[in-house]
Amino acid sequence: AQKVTQAQTEISVVEKEDVTLDCVYETRDTTYYLFWYKQPPSGELVFLIRRNSFDEQNEISGRYSWNFQKSTSSFNFTITASQVVDSAVYFCALSEASHGNAGNMLTFGGGTRLMVKP
Amino acid sequence: GAGVSQSPSNKVTEKGKDVELRCDPISGHTALYWYRQSLGQGLEFLIYFQGNSAPDKSGLPSDRFSAERTGGSVSTLTIQRTQQEDSAVYLCASSISRGGNQPQHFGDGTRLSIL
Repeated sequence: AQKVTQAQTEISVVEKEDVTLDCVYETRDTTYYLFWYKQPPSGELVFLIRRNSFDEQNEISGRYSWNFQKSTSSFNFTITASQVVDSAVYFCALSEASHGNAGNMLTFGGGTRLMVKP
Repeated sequence: GAGVSQSPSNKVTEKGKDVELRCDPISGHTALYWYRQSLGQGLEFLIYFQGNSAPDKSGLPSDRFSAERTGGSVSTLTIQRTQQEDSAVYLCASSISRGGNQPQHFGDGTRLSIL
Protein backbone atom coordinates (compact mmCIF):
# COMPACT_ATOMS: atom_id res chain seq x y z
CA ALA A 1 0.00 0.00 0.00
CA GLN A 2 1.11 3.53 -0.61
CA LYS A 3 2.20 5.69 2.29
CA VAL A 4 3.64 9.17 2.78
CA THR A 5 5.47 10.23 5.91
CA GLN A 6 6.27 13.77 6.94
CA ALA A 7 8.18 13.33 10.14
CA GLN A 8 8.28 17.02 11.03
CA THR A 9 4.91 18.01 12.43
CA GLU A 10 5.90 21.59 13.17
CA ILE A 11 8.84 23.81 12.27
CA SER A 12 9.47 27.34 13.47
CA VAL A 13 12.03 29.60 11.81
CA VAL A 14 12.90 33.26 11.76
CA GLU A 15 12.34 35.20 8.56
CA LYS A 16 15.16 34.88 5.99
CA GLU A 17 16.24 31.47 7.29
CA ASP A 18 16.29 28.55 4.88
CA VAL A 19 14.07 25.61 5.80
CA THR A 20 13.71 22.08 4.43
CA LEU A 21 10.53 20.04 4.76
CA ASP A 22 11.07 16.30 4.59
CA CYS A 23 8.89 13.79 2.79
CA VAL A 24 9.42 10.03 2.55
CA TYR A 25 7.12 7.79 0.56
CA GLU A 26 6.39 4.10 0.02
CA THR A 27 4.93 2.55 -3.09
CA ARG A 28 5.17 -0.70 -5.03
CA ASP A 29 4.43 1.00 -8.33
CA THR A 30 7.26 1.83 -10.70
CA THR A 31 5.29 4.74 -12.10
CA TYR A 32 4.00 7.27 -9.63
CA TYR A 33 3.70 10.99 -9.07
CA LEU A 34 4.66 13.15 -6.14
CA PHE A 35 3.09 16.45 -5.21
CA TRP A 36 3.50 19.24 -2.72
CA TYR A 37 0.52 21.32 -1.61
CA LYS A 38 0.39 24.41 0.61
CA GLN A 39 -2.52 25.03 2.97
CA PRO A 40 -2.46 28.61 4.29
CA PRO A 41 -4.65 29.64 7.25
CA SER A 42 -7.50 30.34 4.82
CA GLY A 43 -7.74 26.56 4.32
CA GLU A 44 -7.54 26.06 0.57
CA LEU A 45 -5.01 23.49 -0.63
CA VAL A 46 -2.79 25.12 -3.23
CA PHE A 47 -0.87 22.97 -5.71
CA LEU A 48 2.85 23.75 -5.76
CA ILE A 49 4.61 21.07 -7.78
CA ARG A 50 4.29 17.66 -9.41
CA ARG A 51 7.18 15.26 -10.04
CA ASN A 52 7.11 12.02 -12.09
CA SER A 53 8.87 8.94 -10.79
CA PHE A 54 11.04 8.69 -13.87
CA ASP A 55 12.33 12.25 -13.62
CA GLU A 56 14.79 12.76 -10.80
CA GLN A 57 15.91 16.18 -11.91
CA ASN A 58 15.72 18.69 -9.10
CA GLU A 59 13.57 21.72 -9.64
CA ILE A 60 13.82 25.32 -8.57
CA SER A 61 11.06 27.89 -8.72
CA GLY A 62 12.03 31.21 -7.21
CA ARG A 63 12.70 30.63 -3.51
CA TYR A 64 11.32 27.10 -3.69
CA SER A 65 13.33 24.02 -4.63
CA TRP A 66 12.60 20.31 -4.58
CA ASN A 67 15.01 17.40 -4.21
CA PHE A 68 13.68 14.05 -5.46
CA GLN A 69 15.80 10.98 -4.65
CA LYS A 70 14.41 7.59 -5.61
CA SER A 71 17.24 5.80 -3.83
CA THR A 72 15.97 7.07 -0.49
CA SER A 73 12.29 7.43 -1.53
CA SER A 74 12.37 11.07 -0.56
CA PHE A 75 10.96 14.24 -2.06
CA ASN A 76 12.12 17.13 0.09
CA PHE A 77 11.07 20.74 -0.24
CA THR A 78 13.35 23.68 0.59
CA ILE A 79 12.30 27.28 1.02
CA THR A 80 15.18 29.72 0.75
CA ALA A 81 15.09 33.03 2.60
CA SER A 82 11.73 32.25 4.20
CA GLN A 83 9.10 34.94 4.56
CA VAL A 84 6.18 35.35 6.94
CA VAL A 85 3.79 34.66 4.05
CA ASP A 86 5.29 31.17 3.78
CA SER A 87 3.62 30.28 7.09
CA ALA A 88 1.24 27.44 6.30
CA VAL A 89 0.79 23.70 6.52
CA TYR A 90 2.61 21.90 3.73
CA PHE A 91 1.49 18.49 2.50
CA CYS A 92 3.42 15.98 0.46
CA ALA A 93 1.25 13.56 -1.55
CA LEU A 94 1.64 10.49 -3.73
CA SER A 95 -0.44 9.21 -6.63
CA GLU A 96 0.12 5.82 -8.19
CA ALA A 97 -0.37 5.34 -11.92
CA SER A 98 -2.10 2.02 -11.50
CA HIS A 99 -4.74 2.63 -8.88
CA GLY A 100 -7.54 1.12 -10.87
CA ASN A 101 -11.02 2.09 -9.83
CA ALA A 102 -9.91 4.69 -7.32
CA GLY A 103 -8.65 6.81 -10.14
CA ASN A 104 -5.52 8.59 -9.13
CA MET A 105 -6.38 9.34 -5.55
CA LEU A 106 -3.81 11.25 -3.57
CA THR A 107 -2.31 9.75 -0.44
CA PHE A 108 -1.20 12.59 1.79
CA GLY A 109 1.39 12.82 4.49
CA GLY A 110 0.37 14.22 7.84
CA GLY A 111 1.57 17.68 6.92
CA THR A 112 4.24 19.99 8.34
CA ARG A 113 3.16 23.23 9.95
CA LEU A 114 5.70 25.92 9.12
CA MET A 115 5.75 29.09 11.19
CA VAL A 116 7.93 31.90 9.97
CA LYS A 117 8.44 34.61 12.55
CA PRO A 118 9.39 38.18 11.65
CA GLY B 1 -15.87 30.77 -11.49
CA ALA B 2 -12.35 29.74 -12.27
CA GLY B 3 -11.79 27.41 -9.35
CA VAL B 4 -13.53 24.55 -7.56
CA SER B 5 -16.52 25.85 -5.68
CA GLN B 6 -17.95 24.18 -2.58
CA SER B 7 -21.05 24.97 -0.60
CA PRO B 8 -21.89 25.58 2.11
CA SER B 9 -18.59 26.80 3.50
CA ASN B 10 -19.75 25.97 7.01
CA LYS B 11 -22.46 23.67 8.26
CA VAL B 12 -23.51 23.08 11.85
CA THR B 13 -26.12 20.45 12.48
CA GLU B 14 -27.44 18.20 15.20
CA LYS B 15 -26.45 14.59 15.53
CA GLY B 16 -28.81 12.36 13.58
CA LYS B 17 -29.66 14.86 10.87
CA ASP B 18 -28.81 14.37 7.20
CA VAL B 19 -26.50 16.81 5.41
CA GLU B 20 -25.73 17.45 1.78
CA LEU B 21 -22.48 18.99 0.60
CA ARG B 22 -22.03 20.36 -2.89
CA CYS B 23 -19.05 20.61 -5.21
CA ASP B 24 -18.85 22.45 -8.51
CA PRO B 25 -15.60 21.47 -10.26
CA ILE B 26 -13.54 23.49 -12.69
CA SER B 27 -15.29 23.58 -16.05
CA GLY B 28 -14.06 20.81 -18.34
CA HIS B 29 -12.52 18.71 -15.56
CA THR B 30 -13.72 15.13 -15.92
CA ALA B 31 -12.24 13.72 -12.72
CA LEU B 32 -13.65 14.72 -9.34
CA TYR B 33 -12.48 13.63 -5.89
CA TRP B 34 -13.83 13.97 -2.37
CA TYR B 35 -11.49 13.99 0.62
CA ARG B 36 -12.01 14.53 4.33
CA GLN B 37 -9.63 16.40 6.63
CA SER B 38 -9.92 15.83 10.34
CA LEU B 39 -7.56 16.31 13.26
CA GLY B 40 -7.19 12.68 14.07
CA GLN B 41 -7.09 11.21 10.56
CA GLY B 42 -5.40 13.85 8.44
CA LEU B 43 -6.45 13.98 4.79
CA GLU B 44 -8.33 10.89 3.67
CA PHE B 45 -9.64 9.95 0.25
CA LEU B 46 -13.36 9.25 0.13
CA ILE B 47 -14.51 8.75 -3.45
CA TYR B 48 -13.60 9.43 -7.05
CA PHE B 49 -15.78 10.20 -10.08
CA GLN B 50 -14.82 9.89 -13.69
CA GLY B 51 -17.65 11.57 -15.54
CA ASN B 52 -20.81 10.54 -13.71
CA SER B 53 -19.63 7.17 -12.50
CA ALA B 54 -17.84 6.28 -9.29
CA PRO B 55 -16.06 2.97 -9.89
CA ASP B 56 -14.78 2.66 -6.33
CA LYS B 57 -16.71 3.60 -3.22
CA SER B 58 -14.51 1.75 -0.77
CA GLY B 59 -13.06 4.97 0.64
CA LEU B 60 -16.41 6.00 2.07
CA PRO B 61 -16.20 5.46 5.85
CA SER B 62 -19.66 3.91 6.27
CA ASP B 63 -22.90 3.23 4.42
CA ARG B 64 -24.26 6.49 5.80
CA PHE B 65 -22.10 8.24 3.21
CA SER B 66 -23.11 8.44 -0.43
CA ALA B 67 -22.20 10.63 -3.37
CA GLU B 68 -23.42 11.31 -6.83
CA ARG B 69 -22.42 13.37 -9.79
CA THR B 70 -24.80 14.49 -12.50
CA GLY B 71 -24.11 15.83 -15.96
CA GLY B 72 -20.42 15.19 -15.48
CA SER B 73 -20.23 18.34 -13.40
CA VAL B 74 -21.71 19.08 -9.97
CA SER B 75 -21.32 16.48 -7.26
CA THR B 76 -23.10 16.09 -3.94
CA LEU B 77 -21.86 14.19 -0.91
CA THR B 78 -24.64 13.13 1.43
CA ILE B 79 -24.19 12.01 5.01
CA GLN B 80 -27.21 10.42 6.63
CA ARG B 81 -27.85 10.22 10.36
CA THR B 82 -24.77 12.26 11.13
CA GLN B 83 -22.53 11.33 14.04
CA GLN B 84 -20.07 13.47 15.96
CA GLU B 85 -17.14 11.67 14.36
CA ASP B 86 -18.32 13.00 11.00
CA SER B 87 -17.17 16.47 12.06
CA ALA B 88 -14.40 17.44 9.64
CA VAL B 89 -13.59 19.60 6.66
CA TYR B 90 -14.81 17.98 3.46
CA LEU B 91 -12.68 18.88 0.46
CA CYS B 92 -13.51 18.48 -3.18
CA ALA B 93 -10.90 18.43 -5.95
CA SER B 94 -11.03 18.16 -9.69
CA SER B 95 -8.50 17.41 -12.40
CA ILE B 96 -8.69 17.69 -16.13
CA SER B 97 -8.50 13.92 -16.52
CA ARG B 98 -7.92 10.86 -14.40
CA GLY B 99 -4.22 10.63 -15.22
CA GLY B 100 -2.01 10.45 -12.16
CA ASN B 101 0.19 13.19 -13.48
CA GLN B 102 -2.69 15.66 -13.50
CA PRO B 103 -2.66 17.93 -10.47
CA GLN B 104 -5.84 18.04 -8.47
CA HIS B 105 -7.22 21.48 -7.74
CA PHE B 106 -9.04 21.88 -4.47
CA GLY B 107 -11.97 23.93 -3.29
CA ASP B 108 -12.05 25.79 0.02
CA GLY B 109 -13.91 22.93 1.66
CA THR B 110 -17.04 22.62 3.79
CA ARG B 111 -16.44 22.68 7.53
CA LEU B 112 -18.99 20.33 9.05
CA SER B 113 -19.68 20.42 12.77
CA ILE B 114 -21.99 17.89 14.37
CA LEU B 115 -23.36 18.93 17.76
